Amino acid sequence: DIQMTQSPASLSASLGETVTIECLASEDIYSNLAWYQQKPGKSPQLLIYDASSLQDGVPSRFSGSESGTQYSLEINSLQSEDAATYFCQQHHDYPPTFGGGTKLELK
Amino acid sequence: QVTLKESGPGILQPSQTLSLTCTFSGFSLSTYGMGVGWIRQPSGKGLEWLANIWWDDDKYYNPSLKNRLTISKDTSNNQAFLKITNVDTADTATYYCARIASTTVALFDYWGQGVMVTVSS
Repeated sequence: DIQMTQSPASLSASLGETVTIECLASEDIYSNLAWYQQKPGKSPQLLIYDASSLQDGVPSRFSGSESGTQYSLEINSLQSEDAATYFCQQHHDYPPTFGGGTKLELK
Repeated sequence: QVTLKESGPGILQPSQTLSLTCTFSGFSLSTYGMGVGWIRQPSGKGLEWLANIWWDDDKYYNPSLKNRLTISKDTSNNQAFLKITNVDTADTATYYCARIASTTVALFDYWGQGVMVTVSS
């Protein structure tokens, strides 16, 4: 199975700041990487797919990038509604696997 | 508009069989390239993929649970199903069904609200 190592497990940031969440794949997943946002009591919502493509309706302050097997989610100009847990997921091969999640708290 | 909604028993006892239903609208599992997956999440923990089913009835299972899982579909009624046999307390989780974006292995673009399942004696 492809392992997805996500970091940090949690972070705290202020409104207007920029944060970066990272995911390291245990092997090449050829940009087949998605990011999801999950708010408390809600289901995950797709933010980014294919490492850097923004899902329809997602604000442009969310962006994704990659460098080798390292993938990053950047959130610019943090808003209060960005407080959530974020998960990465490789959709390259079976079984699809998720990172452990990053809980983002707004100060 | 794509929507999915899961339903299940809520609570069941160890060794029983868990039966889940996903009722969806806005797409059809008879359409080329369409798929539905099941994912679960224990309270406060991460996401675990369970199984996928495709428009052509192709099926994929998580190897760690494969012997216990059965995924199926009813195209006419826009439903997908998941059965998990011989449940244990470790199967206590919220179970989600999700649509799979066409031509991908498992990119979940729309999710249901989830159904909480508790396994307890």
